[in-house]
Amino acid sequence: QVQLVQSGGGRVQPGRSLRLSCSASGFTFSRFPMHWVRQAPGKGLEWVSAVSDHGRETAYADSVKGRFTVSRDNSKNALFLQMDSLRPDDTAIYYCAIIWIGDSDFSYWGQGALVTVSS
Amino acid sequence: IQMTQSPSSLSASVGDRVTITCRASQGIGNSLAWFQQKPGKVPTLLLTRASNLQSGVPSRFRGSGSGTYFTLTISSLQVEDVATYYCQKYDDTPWTFGQGTKVDIK
Repeated sequence: QVQLVQSGGGRVQPGRSLRLSCSASGFTFSRFPMHWVRQAPGKGLEWVSAVSDHGRETAYADSVKGRFTVSRDNSKNALFLQMDSLRPDDTAIYYCAIIWIGDSDFSYWGQGALVTVSS
Repeated sequence: IQMTQSPSSLSASVGDRVTITCRASQGIGNSLAWFQQKPGKVPTLLLTRASNLQSGVPSRFRGSGSGTYFTLTISSLQVEDVATYYCQKYDDTPWTFGQGTKVDIK
């Protein structure tokens, strides 16, 4: 079965960096674009970033552009989100996700990783 | 493109018909998905292409619309439908979500 297992969350001071990881299994990882979505405490979902199946194309929300970098290692079935210059309003649960709408449609999400940015 | 949902919350009785609206600031064709997020859980995909019900989703959920105006209707609200519902556009990046509609039982 499809599994997305996340790691790397934690508490960090403003201005510092953090790297999230997402380990995929149960499907052909290299075939699918991947997404990062975050949810601030008690708030709604916010799409953060996406990376193409091969990793050469990326996209970001305006709120994180220039500070966050998404990447993937298809040889290790792994997705990453490098978060630099973190701010208190980046505090959220971060989810990695497949949201595939194509020949068939499906969506799978990781368990989430809490990132707290606070001094 | 901004996605605006209304209402932000609603309370209805079991068996009621419930409708949630999602408006796009520009036309997105039918490139709209609906997600359900129950408290403490990750979101689940309900519909794609504005009206395509995902396998396993009860038929009381129905989506419609195209362009800039979309609706999600629950024909007969059940206790297990208590959740927050989000629309999301996917015509192009950014894949923006609406702000969510929280549904509970009166």
